[in-house]
Amino acid sequence: GAVVSQHPSRVICKSGTSVKIECRSLDFQATTMFWYRQFPKKSLMLMATSNEGSKATYEQGVEKDKFLINHASLTLSTLTVTSAHPEDSSFYICSARLQGIQPLHFGNGTRLTVT
Amino acid sequence: SQKIEQNSEALNIQEGKTATLTCNYTNYSPAYLQWYRQDPGRGPVFLLLIRENEKEKRKERLKVTFDTTLKQSLFHITASQPADSATYLCALDIDPSGSARQLTFGSGTQLTVLP
Repeated sequence: GAVVSQHPSRVICKSGTSVKIECRSLDFQATTMFWYRQFPKKSLMLMATSNEGSKATYEQGVEKDKFLINHASLTLSTLTVTSAHPEDSSFYICSARLQGIQPLHFGNGTRLTVT
Repeated sequence: SQKIEQNSEALNIQEGKTATLTCNYTNYSPAYLQWYRQDPGRGPVFLLLIRENEKEKRKERLKVTFDTTLKQSLFHITASQPADSATYLCALDIDPSGSARQLTFGSGTQLTVLP
């Protein structure tokens, strides 16, 4: 149980275009999902907390107009990287938890390459 | 400032031996600590959670200790196998409510078990 599905797994886009990444909780409802970014051999950095039916909470230093998050239902959160630049190239991972102090269940990540 | 350090970026051990990974932290008072496994190009997978009032947790060949005086957690894999080769991440949360916004990850230790 507690499976999180993330799509696409890889995407290459041209500079200036936008990319949408989907995160779905397959067998549970997630009122809260988390979006992380990870650089090679580096830790996961929390970008934002996605709340179903309300605005996302962004961490300090994360541009909310660049990384648009929508949590339209209890099973789907999307991250859209707008006007992508090469420096946005990274590994983006979403996660969700059932409730309380429970482990995070992660998607398999999206490798974004902006050319 | 708050800091999480995981011992050596890479650790190589011989198959059958016990692998011991270290997670040290400063300027934290974590409510609980978690260990995750991450394979290349994949999202992390939860392994074990230990609370501040617990000294030790076990799961099959895995054992985690948590010493809040030393500000350290040790993660042991006994009878290690090549399939255990992966990056292992520790994560601390200072928020007992489980909101996960304060869940902070270490940069990980890459374990290689040699046949």
